Amino acid sequence: EVQLVQSGAEVRKPGESLNISCESFGYRFASYWIAWVRQLPGKGLEWMGIIDPIDSETRYSQTLQGHFTISVDKSINTAYLQWSTLKASDSATYYCGRLYHSGDPFVEFWGQGTRVTVSS
Amino acid sequence: DFVLTQSPDSLAVALGERATISCKSSQSVLYSGNNKNYLAWYQQKAGQPPQLLIYWASTRQPGVPDRFSGSGSGTDFTLTISSLQAADAAVYYCQQYHGNPSFGQGTRLEIK
Repeated sequence: EVQLVQSGAEVRKPGESLNISCESFGYRFASYWIAWVRQLPGKGLEWMGIIDPIDSETRYSQTLQGHFTISVDKSINTAYLQWSTLKASDSATYYCGRLYHSGDPFVEFWGQGTRVTVSS
Repeated sequence: DFVLTQSPDSLAVALGERATISCKSSQSVLYSGNNKNYLAWYQQKAGQPPQLLIYWASTRQPGVPDRFSGSGSGTDFTLTISSLQAADAAVYYCQQYHGNPSFGQGTRLEIK
């Protein structure tokens, strides 16, 4: 059974750094791209970017790129979403997902979500 | 950029009735090379992650009930739920993956 298990909820202050994770189970990790999707409180879904676990090739959303980093450690089947300097506007629920087997960028399997709260 | 506009923003439908959600793209998501529409539909219930319902505009994800169907081509698409069940109360999103991926704003479906 394919599962993506995300790290738990986080509370940080503005200016702090954060690293959230997404561990994959039940399939060959290197064979499928991983996506990250943001959902602001009470709002819709926003595509952040994707990463290829084989070579860490990354494609960021042109709208959201520049403020976060997507990475992967294929030795432990885990993808990461990282911020070096958080802002209050980063408060959201973040979902990871495994793309469809063709590599086309839609999500076939989703993690449970990680809620991030950034507040002073 | 591809902008997806869903309508309506919300709707209330009685149990057993048909629900229809529209998704219009600012540009065609039909790729002429393979004649496929690069559009997916997701369902998100309260407090849960989204779930994939439909991809390639009309291909149902395995395990999705056949009361869910997708149609359309080019810039105009529709998600239809043929006989609404209580479990179908959720927010529904379309997503294009022809260009840089993007989602519609979502449509909230309530049971009347």
